Amino acid sequence: GQQLNQSPQSMFIQEGEDVSMNCTSSSIFNTWLWYKQDPGEGPVLLIALYKAGELTSNGRLTAQFGITRKDSFLNISASIPSDVGIYFCAGHSGGSNYKLTFGKGTLLTVNP
Amino acid sequence: KAGVTQTPRYLIKTRGQQVTLSCSPISGHRSVSWYQQTPGQGLQFLFEYFSETQRNKGNFPGRFSGRQFSNSRSEMNVSTLELGDSALYLCASSPGRRGPYNEQFFGPGTRLTVL
Repeated sequence: GQQLNQSPQSMFIQEGEDVSMNCTSSSIFNTWLWYKQDPGEGPVLLIALYKAGELTSNGRLTAQFGITRKDSFLNISASIPSDVGIYFCAGHSGGSNYKLTFGKGTLLTVNP
Repeated sequence: KAGVTQTPRYLIKTRGQQVTLSCSPISGHRSVSWYQQTPGQGLQFLFEYFSETQRNKGNFPGRFSGRQFSNSRSEMNVSTLELGDSALYLCASSPGRRGPYNEQFFGPGTRLTVL
């Protein structure tokens, strides 16, 4: 079945630093998504990417849909303490398949 | 607009029992998806319902089942609970329209512990 490899598994950074994480897949996705999950809550959508090569920003967050449609990355610039959480990539293959395939997540810790 | 609500938030059961979890989607949304989240396996898709019909199903045993009512509220049931069923069960609501991806909005989840 489809699998997403997300890296790194965890990151410890200082406030103000930039962060980069990525996901690779063994198969093609038509949509790439990045979610953030805080403790005790469900994932919240940060950025959605719909076209290969697309680069999209949401405030300090920037994500790109890889040209091969098998990868995506997320950058966070000038990190702040509230960026702490688990970040997930997810892929959607489209068509009549309505499920999301998730990466295992990147745990981000920001030291003030 | 109210978000996705899930009840109960926490549940403790023993092996062999069964459990029913409930999800109320965002008003106007007709699709409800269920996911299981565990530290080892991450987020895994269980099934998706639209207009009271199951449209997609993940690779889970038949002990996991669900249904959707005419008001789009959904329930999932796990019978003959096993220790490995301990997890956070997440429900996601979506408009469910065919075509390009419809954004899924997640509820806070139900934390199930099986003793």
